Amino acid sequence: AAGVIQSPRHLIKEKRETATLKCYPIPRHDTVYWYQQGPGQDPQFLISFYEKMQSDKGSIPDRFSAQQFSDYHSELNMSSLELGDSALYFCASSPRGAGGYSYEQYFGPGTRLTVT
Amino acid sequence: AQSVAQPEDQVNVAEGNPLTVKCTYSVSGNPYLFWYVQYPNRGLQFLLKYITGDNLVKGSYGFEAEFNKSQTSFHLKKPSALVSDSALYFCAVRDKDTGFQKLVFGTGTRLLVSP
Repeated sequence: AAGVIQSPRHLIKEKRETATLKCYPIPRHDTVYWYQQGPGQDPQFLISFYEKMQSDKGSIPDRFSAQQFSDYHSELNMSSLELGDSALYFCASSPRGAGGYSYEQYFGPGTRLTVT
Repeated sequence: AQSVAQPEDQVNVAEGNPLTVKCTYSVSGNPYLFWYVQYPNRGLQFLLKYITGDNLVKGSYGFEAEFNKSQTSFHLKKPSALVSDSALYFCAVRDKDTGFQKLVFGTGTRLLVSP
């Protein structure tokens, strides 16, 4: 079965640089979520999109922005990177449909961002 | 605000023995509850969920969980543990009534199954 695809899988950037993470949801999933998992921590919700509109927002820094495109893929743009941004960034997708919020989220393998 | 607590950082169990990973939740409305498993350097894999109905939920890989509203708990269980079950387990909650889509995760419990 098709899964959530994230690219790149690993990314090394220097402080103050920018990074773009990409997420391709499972086919027919119209909702995309972004989470950040620091070392030894639980995943923290950043932002979500439904039908290309932002639907929920968590603890996402102002330096970060995201969008969902017409093909439902999403990109997380991160600027002025800081050492503390080093983490595993997960994208998840789910169908919206009639089930609404009862659907589970399917996670991608994550992008490991290292800021040096 | 919604939250989840996993009181044990690590659970140790011998292969073949039953296992329980504990989770308690707090939400203002009615909860949707989920269990995910994470293997090293991998994404989170969905195990099971409670939405409504039967309090005992069966999921992937022989895992099950029991929803207890009076104790606000959703413990993960398996009758007979395998060494390959060793991983990091996260409980998560979504508040059905607030409309927020995000999952709120617990701090995770590391399960170690010894041969």
